[in-house]
Amino acid sequence: QQQVKQSPQSLIVQKGGIPIINCAYENTAFDYFPWYQQFPGKGPALLIAIRPDVSEKKEGRFTISFNKSAKQFSLHIMDSQPGDSATYFCAAGPDNFNKFYFGSGTKLNVKP
Amino acid sequence: EPEVTQTPSHQVTQMGQEVILRCVPISNHLYFYWYRQILGQKVEFLVSFYNNEISEKSEIFDDQFSVERPDGSNFTLKIRSTKLEDSAMYFCASSEAIGDLGDYGYTFGSGTRLTVV
Repeated sequence: QQQVKQSPQSLIVQKGGIPIINCAYENTAFDYFPWYQQFPGKGPALLIAIRPDVSEKKEGRFTISFNKSAKQFSLHIMDSQPGDSATYFCAAGPDNFNKFYFGSGTKLNVKP
Repeated sequence: EPEVTQTPSHQVTQMGQEVILRCVPISNHLYFYWYRQILGQKVEFLVSFYNNEISEKSEIFDDQFSVERPDGSNFTLKIRSTKLEDSAMYFCASSEAIGDLGDYGYTFGSGTRLTVV
């Protein structure tokens, strides 16, 4: 059973565009929803995270939208830059951080 | 910025051999994890470790796997008898705190690519 489903698998946008990556989760007990950015040859790096008591969180150009009733959350990257080209993973898990379930990843390519 | 350090970056081993993957978590972190990523696939949880014992482990983490914190700085993952399907990138991660103590998340290392031949 896939605990976290992520789409799309890949995404190409022009510089300045707003790529949107979507995730859906199964388990209503999940309390913490981080997004990770991964460059080739590197480990995932925490980008931004949200808890279900808020519907939106912004950090710089990155925004998470969260819909608790639909069990969905999404990442928006404002004014995307070529340097944002990376693989993005959503994850979900309990607030004790004991175990995260990761989505399958979205490979983003931002063209100059 | 503090980093999680993993060694070696790449290890090739014969099927059936034992391997030890090493990690040095960030010094003030208390919670330690191993995840793996088979090439092109999603990141999968293996095990979490706190206070010198396993907090949780996945179904992947069978009797062939073990973890240890042999001293105050290292955190190791041992695979006793490697199989071809153990070939993956193994990531160590650490966390300063959990839950509503803050938005700490994990810090991942750069990974060890394990190739079993």
